[in-house]
Amino acid sequence: DAGITQSPRYKITETGRQVTLMCHQTWSHSYMFWYRQDLGHGLRLIYYSAAADITDKGEVPDGYVVSRSKTENFPLTLESATRSQTSVYFCASSTRDAVNTDTQYFGPGTRLTVL
Amino acid sequence: TQLLEQSPQFLSIQEGENLTVYCNSSSVFSSLQWYRQEPGEGPVLLVTVVTGGEVKKLKRLTFQFGDARKDSSLHITAAQPGDTGLYLCAGADSNYQLIWGAGTKLIIKP
Repeated sequence: DAGITQSPRYKITETGRQVTLMCHQTWSHSYMFWYRQDLGHGLRLIYYSAAADITDKGEVPDGYVVSRSKTENFPLTLESATRSQTSVYFCASSTRDAVNTDTQYFGPGTRLTVL
Repeated sequence: TQLLEQSPQFLSIQEGENLTVYCNSSSVFSSLQWYRQEPGEGPVLLVTVVTGGEVKKLKRLTFQFGDARKDSSLHITAAQPGDTGLYLCAGADSNYQLIWGAGTKLIIKP
C-alpha cells in the first residue's frame, strides 16, 4: 500500500530491553522524522534524516538510535528501554518542494509501554 | 529556544457555536502550519500560511498568520462534531525545522 506505515502499532516491553520501531514510506520522500508525543508536550523531534545515510539529532535524542540505509526505511531503536520512554511514537516523511514549506506526512503511530 | 504556545489547551462546546484557537510565539517563523489529529492516528496537515497577514479558508475553518509572523489563529464557524480532534500548530524556523505547539483538544458536542 502506498503511504507511510509503522510497525508494530502496539508494543509492551520491559525496562532494559532493546526495542526497534519500524517505519516505511513508499513516496521516496527525502526527509524522514521520528517524534514522540506525550500529554502536555505535543510532538518532540527525536531524530531526522535528510537522505539515506544522513541522520541528525532532534530535541530529545538521548537513549535512541536511528539508521537509514535505504530511502524508504527509517527504524528507531531504543537501546535499553526506560519507563520514561513510554510514549506514542510517530514517524513522518516530507518533501521540501518549495522554500518555506515542509509538509509532513505522518504514520499511524506506535504506542510503546515500558514496564 | 523557540516556543509555540497554544491556547486554550482544551475546549468543549456545543455544535453550531463558533470558536477560535491561538498559536503564539515571541519568535518569527518563515511559515506556520496547522494540523488536525484524531485519536489513534497521526496528524494531518490542514493548511500552511507563509505571508504575514495571510488569511486562508478551508470550508468553515479560517486560518490567519499574524502580520509579524509570530502568531496564528484558527477560527471555526458553526462547529460540527466532525471537527472534534487535537489541533496542532507548527512553525518553520530558519532551518525549516518544525517547532510544534502542544495542541488544543477540541470536543464538539452534538
